[in-house]
Amino acid sequence: DSGVTQTPKHLITATGQRVTLRCSPRSGDLSVYWYQQSLDQGLQFLIQYYNGEERAKGNILERFSAQQFPDLHSELNLSSLELGDSALYFCASSVGPQSSYNEQFFGPGTRLTVL
Amino acid sequence: QQQVKQSPQSLIVQKGGISIINCAYENTAFDYFPWYQQFPGKGPALLIAIRPDVSEKKEGRFTISFNKSAKQFSLHIMDSQPGDSATYFCAAWGYNAGNMLTFGGGTRLMVKP
Repeated sequence: DSGVTQTPKHLITATGQRVTLRCSPRSGDLSVYWYQQSLDQGLQFLIQYYNGEERAKGNILERFSAQQFPDLHSELNLSSLELGDSALYFCASSVGPQSSYNEQFFGPGTRLTVL
Repeated sequence: QQQVKQSPQSLIVQKGGISIINCAYENTAFDYFPWYQQFPGKGPALLIAIRPDVSEKKEGRFTISFNKSAKQFSLHIMDSQPGDSATYFCAAWGYNAGNMLTFGGGTRLMVKP
């Protein structure tokens, strides 16, 4: 158990809908990262927040947005969902803002299925 | 554009054998190279990592070999065990390379008893 929690574990929804994925980082970790894992694209970095501020952005679609709240939990919002958005979404956390000197601890993931 | 290429996609090794997974990168701004291990239904977990100032790092049965001039690095698993059966991802990071972890495509390792 990495100490990172993600809810829900599974989510099934329809195209065009909007969903929110939630992540609670390990105690003491200030950085939260979101990743998408799909069969064809592999593991892709989406976005990073450090202490409430956006620090790095990957190939995150405009339909996706995230935020980190004062209690450091984070939410990833996915809207106008398409079939291709079906994937595993992982949250990771680390102590500091840079990922080279701070190990990222991954949560168990949320499996999103868009029908 | 895939900046980190990983091979093979799948690997079958006999118990006690050596598993070797290779990665190549393009961006010379990468300066941190971790390997992650992922079991089915779990998130990736850091296995071992290396920085380009050393050519090799060993932790138990796991060794990273790093060739800066060739822009390649590899993971060697000595005395492979059935419990090592998992998917392995190499990754690369650099502050001037987007400040994000870029992952290889993954290698599914199966160690046969």
